Amino acid sequence: EDQVTQSPEALRLQEGESSSLNCSYTVSGLRGLFWYRQDPGKGPEFLFTLYSAGEEKEKERLKATLTKKESFLHITAPKPEDSATYLCAVQEGDYKLSFGAGTTVTVRA
Amino acid sequence: SAVISQKPSRDICQRGTSLTIQCQVDSQVTMMFWYRQQPGQSLTLIATANQGSEATYESGFVIDKFPISRPNLTFSTLTVSNMSPEDSSIYLCSVDGEGGELFFGEGSRLTVL
Repeated sequence: EDQVTQSPEALRLQEGESSSLNCSYTVSGLRGLFWYRQDPGKGPEFLFTLYSAGEEKEKERLKATLTKKESFLHITAPKPEDSATYLCAVQEGDYKLSFGAGTTVTVRA
Repeated sequence: SAVISQKPSRDICQRGTSLTIQCQVDSQVTMMFWYRQQPGQSLTLIATANQGSEATYESGFVIDKFPISRPNLTFSTLTVSNMSPEDSSIYLCSVDGEGGELFFGEGSRLTVL
């Protein structure tokens, strides 16, 4: 059973068109939820860590929020350079992270 | 955050051969992690490498297929042995940060013909 599910699989946006990505998880004892950005041919780049429900983190046009069952990554007024695959991962118990399959975002100028 | 360098960045290999991927970190770290990212799929942990001890492998991965070395606190290698086309993937080296987050290298893209 998948612990982390991301939706949608792909998202095509017009420049300036805000939207949200979803990451739902089923782990019982969440120690941390992590968001990454991955560009084609590159390793994942760390964006945020969220530890508890209600927590929010922001970085430029990105804002991550966390509830007890899911996390959202909001992209406000996106630009073409925001095009990437966004990965969500959860940490339960020890150091291991379980990753979702990602959402590929394409922003058209 | 640590700077992680991987070599090779990409390679094309023949079926039945083996390839060793190197991972160098710019600071001393206790644990290093090797992940696999198959085309269109998520990241899957292969094994955890601690200096001075044998690597710990995840379910579905075995030492004979993916031998790992960890000779010191800044370096590790992953070998993909007796390769088949199903081994075509991106292999990623990572280290953990203070908050539990992982930092990744650029990855090694392996194509097996």
